[in-house]
Amino acid sequence: GAGVSQSPRYKVAKRGQDVALRCDPISGHVSLFWYQQALGQGPEFLTYFQNEAQLDKSGLPSDRFFAERPEGSVSTLKIQRTQQEDSAVYLCASTLPIPGRGYNEQFFGPGTRLTVL
Amino acid sequence: KNEVEQSPQNLTAQEGEFITINCSYSVGISALHWLQQHPGGGIVSLFMLSSGKKKHGRLIATINIQEKHSSLHITASHPRDSAVYICAYMNYGGSQGNLIFGKGTKLSVKP
Repeated sequence: GAGVSQSPRYKVAKRGQDVALRCDPISGHVSLFWYQQALGQGPEFLTYFQNEAQLDKSGLPSDRFFAERPEGSVSTLKIQRTQQEDSAVYLCASTLPIPGRGYNEQFFGPGTRLTVL
Repeated sequence: KNEVEQSPQNLTAQEGEFITINCSYSVGISALHWLQQHPGGGIVSLFMLSSGKKKHGRLIATINIQEKHSSLHITASHPRDSAVYICAYMNYGGSQGNLIFGKGTKLSVKP
């Protein structure tokens, strides 16, 4: 595809429900990031993949959050037993080079807006 | 504490006005990013800069690495410039490269 895509674009969940958010990065991009953006705030880092390896998950707010990228392309962010404080926009970004080796532009998807009732 | 501070948080301007958005940060960095976020969430990278000034159309970004400060200017502003402008730096700790974002400046340009 031409850019990073995410689905669904909008998700309404009842508290306690499990949700799965999908990210399709730009083909061939090695690095993939998930960010959480609360209303009126800047995005905050959740987790990072280099190919299929999850190298950093320090930003995941609780053990209810789980991310995977089993084949090094599509990634899924799963939130179990959703809570109201999980309501946010979840952004995915990908970049081609391996971070730390130069200035690498991150390409963002449109985000998934999650509302937990 | 957010390591990236932006000002102002909200800005309303009349079409044609010159706009300045400021960003200051507290850690040593090698490059700063300016990004634009439109309603609906999509984020687009505007600039990456490590020194001096960069210009793209009506947008100008400047940075002073020693003073840990950057500015984004918009000349001859237009209603289509209405968006949230966010500055960020790349976290090179470990093998990450994730971005550390400011809270953003919401710009509204009135016709």
